[in-house]
Amino acid sequence: DAKTTQPTSMDCAEGRAANLPCNHSTISGNEYVYWYRQIHSQGPQYIIHGLKNNETNEMASLIITEDRKSSTLILPHATLRDTAVYYCIVRVAISGNTPLVFGKGTRLSVIA
Amino acid sequence: AAGVIQSPRHLIKEKRETATLKCYPIPRHDTVYWYQQGPGQDPQFLISFYEKMQSDKGSIPDRFSAQQFSDYHSELNMSSLELGDSALYFCASSLLVLDEQFFGPGTRLTVL
Repeated sequence: DAKTTQPTSMDCAEGRAANLPCNHSTISGNEYVYWYRQIHSQGPQYIIHGLKNNETNEMASLIITEDRKSSTLILPHATLRDTAVYYCIVRVAISGNTPLVFGKGTRLSVIA
Repeated sequence: AAGVIQSPRHLIKEKRETATLKCYPIPRHDTVYWYQQGPGQDPQFLISFYEKMQSDKGSIPDRFSAQQFSDYHSELNMSSLELGDSALYFCASSLLVLDEQFFGPGTRLTVL
């Protein structure tokens, strides 16, 4: 069973920040929060991951609450090409080769 | 940069036939994963290999088998195909010391 809960869908205006929430209230101390996205039947693409500190890379920022029970993925300036299904995944990363368990994800539509 | 290669990209088979899907991971990656994504569904983990040994097993039917070869490429063998096997099959690869899985473009299998 997926360990995360995400909104089914969200809309975002092009050029605005897209904030995608994720609840993971049963997360364990050794589990990381990962975000992947899938653009229309393409292979899923890694975005970012974190344990408890906020993280930022060239694609997005990840904000994790202090109790680690929820997080928000932020796309600072959404473009039409960011339209995709975004998956929040909780995963043990002690060894890097554990599989990904995809839940339902959030379908983000970026609107011109 | 080199990516994960999957072949064929499209495959059409009849019920009860067999199919073989191939995956060529990114050079020097030591782990290969197979995922299945049915129409309108989210990707589901099937099986993975680390250094040519099976490392994890998900919801893979007994009719399916897979292996990883000495050159690290992997093959997913599917026998007695059923209509419900029609899906996108993704291969992903990773390096143990990294946390990111890189997905291939997928093979679209249609069973008639």
